[in-house]
This record gives sequence, C-alpha cells and structure tokens, in this order.
Amino acid sequence: DTGVSQDPRHKITKRGQNVTFRCDPISEHNRLYWYRQTLGQGPEFLTYFQNEAQLEKSRLLSDRFSAERPKGSFSTLEIQRTEQGDSAMYLCASSIILPVEAFFGQGTRLTVV
Amino acid sequence: AQTVTQSQPEMSVQEAETVTLSCTYDTSESDYYLFWYKQPPSRQMILVIRQEAYKQQNATENRFSVNFQKAAKSFSLKISDSQLGDAAMYFCAYRRTGTSGSRLTFGEGTQLTVNP
Repeated sequence: DTGVSQDPRHKITKRGQNVTFRCDPISEHNRLYWYRQTLGQGPEFLTYFQNEAQLEKSRLLSDRFSAERPKGSFSTLEIQRTEQGDSAMYLCASSIILPVEAFFGQGTRLTVV
Repeated sequence: AQTVTQSQPEMSVQEAETVTLSCTYDTSESDYYLFWYKQPPSRQMILVIRQEAYKQQNATENRFSVNFQKAAKSFSLKISDSQLGDAAMYFCAYRRTGTSGSRLTFGEGTQLTVNP
C-alpha cells in the first residue's frame, strides 16, 4: 500500500494521559500536514512540515500538542495531559509541491474518557 | 483570513439524477486553488476535483464538474448520473498558491444521500 498510513486507527485514553500518533506519508512526498476533525465538522489545520522543518502551526496547537518529523520521513503528533475536548479524529495528509493535491490517511480517532 | 462556507448541511438525490453542491469562499488573494474532497463512511478523505483560480475553464472529472465563479467567489460541484457510491460527506476546500501557505481551509461539509 503506497498511501498515507496512520497508526493507531483508534485510541481510547483516560483524561490526563499522554498519547502519541504516527503518520507515514507517501514516500516521495516532502510535505506533511496534521488536521483535527470533530464530528460533523470539516478538518481544521494543526501544523505543516516541509521535509523535517515545521513551517506553520495553528493557534489550535496548544502547548500540550507537539509534532515532529525527524529526518523528513514519518511524523508523530503527541498530546500531553489529554482533555475530553481533545476527542476527535486526527488526520494526516502529505503532498509534493506540484501537483498541489494533498492525500489523506484514514485518521486516528481519539476518545478521551 | 480565508473562510469557506457550505450552506447545505444535507442534500439528497435519486440514483442516476444530477445534484449540485454549493460552496462560497472569502479571500483577498487573486490566485489560489479550490478543491472538492469526498469523505465516505470509512473516513478517508478522497480528492474529487481541483480548480486553479487563474483558469477560466471549469474543471471536469468524468461525472464530476464544477461551476467556478471567481467574481462571486462561488465554487459549486455538480455530480451527474449519481451512483450509490457517491454517498458521502463532501467538503469544499481552499488553498493559497506558492510554496508557503500550504494549509487547506475546509468548509463545514455537505452530507450527500443517494436514494435507489
């Protein structure tokens, strides 16, 4: 499978715990994005990497959120001290410069109880 | 800041009929990209069609076409000969051009139901 891969698909965690999600982009894609989607809403941008550099972060990305992309390959998104409001689908997407389309993974659904 | 608005939370269409989904956006940029993405119940977002703002010709992909009205900042999606597999949430999205500003700004989505 050469698409964007996300792991895990589902995560249930207790409030206050830390969680980490992984995204493996399409191999030749140098751009990687994280979005958050709550039920019935469109995805909201969180952060963007070009290669290993994190070039843009949304105000939605509070201090409890951190993302990395070591060596410009896979990326991780960590949420510390999870809150119930963090419950959402976390989507990863990747692209190259041209064409501009972003390809999405299947997402990680986080439930904080 | 750019915003994207989809005013139809839900739409339905009979199989083999045509349906149009609406999208409006707000931007001060003159060059940008617009997209329609489809998100079936499996949740993976799939690109349906793309439009470059500098192109006057409306994009077409098989049964999917757009009506791009730049002055009105309107970008509607027409699905012809609707099929059961077209049932999904459809999102309109905007992206600036250039190597920076790569983020997509999405609308709220339109849930499309296809009736047999």
